[in-house]
Amino acid sequence: QKEVEQDPGPLSVPEGAIVSLNCTYSNSAFQYFMWYRQYSRKGPELLMYTYSSGNKEDGRFTAQVDKSSKYISLFIRDSQPSDSATYLCAMNSGGSNYKLTFGKGTLLTVNP
Amino acid sequence: EAQVTQNPRYLITVTGKKLTVTCSQNMNHEYMSWYRQDPGLGLRQIYYSMNVEVTDKGDVPEGYKVSRKEKRNFPLILESPSPNQTSLYFCASSFLVGTSGGALYNEQFFGPGTRLTVL
Repeated sequence: QKEVEQDPGPLSVPEGAIVSLNCTYSNSAFQYFMWYRQYSRKGPELLMYTYSSGNKEDGRFTAQVDKSSKYISLFIRDSQPSDSATYLCAMNSGGSNYKLTFGKGTLLTVNP
Repeated sequence: EAQVTQNPRYLITVTGKKLTVTCSQNMNHEYMSWYRQDPGLGLRQIYYSMNVEVTDKGDVPEGYKVSRKEKRNFPLILESPSPNQTSLYFCASSFLVGTSGGALYNEQFFGPGTRLTVL
């Protein structure tokens, strides 16, 4: 079983839709959960992070972590064409451990 | 502007011709890392460095070398490139961010990428 599993998509939605992106993981030591957004021909950039279980909201974006199920989600409300990108989940066990374990990324297209 | 820069951005070369991809960051980060990104395989770590003169292998180090002689620079060296090293390469640097709750998390800043083709 891979440490982090992420459905690669592609996912295509109309503008204004609610988007749900998900990752599962197997390593119970992971405590920090991040979502990176990568536009075409660019490097990934941090979108949101969450520590341990719970929800975090930032504008149209909500990150959820369920450690009991080893499942994380990113929700995008009122999706916009500018949200079209690849979304990568990333995780790490925290403390002085810098290593991030990435999912393979989900390609999202929001159609106007 | 805080950034990670990589050069070159695009490179086409031939098998066996040594090449170096440079990476530089201006954020005084201690940790730097190289990744390759391939379709269907995602981001895979090649090498990382915790500080000057401290480097270690990541998940796919075969065929690569790195050095960290200065804090800001972390070049990736391919001594004898082969076609299976054709990929998109990213350099990243990071630091630990403290939260109000006392937790520390690692925010990585990525460079713009280097598209390498080995013929």
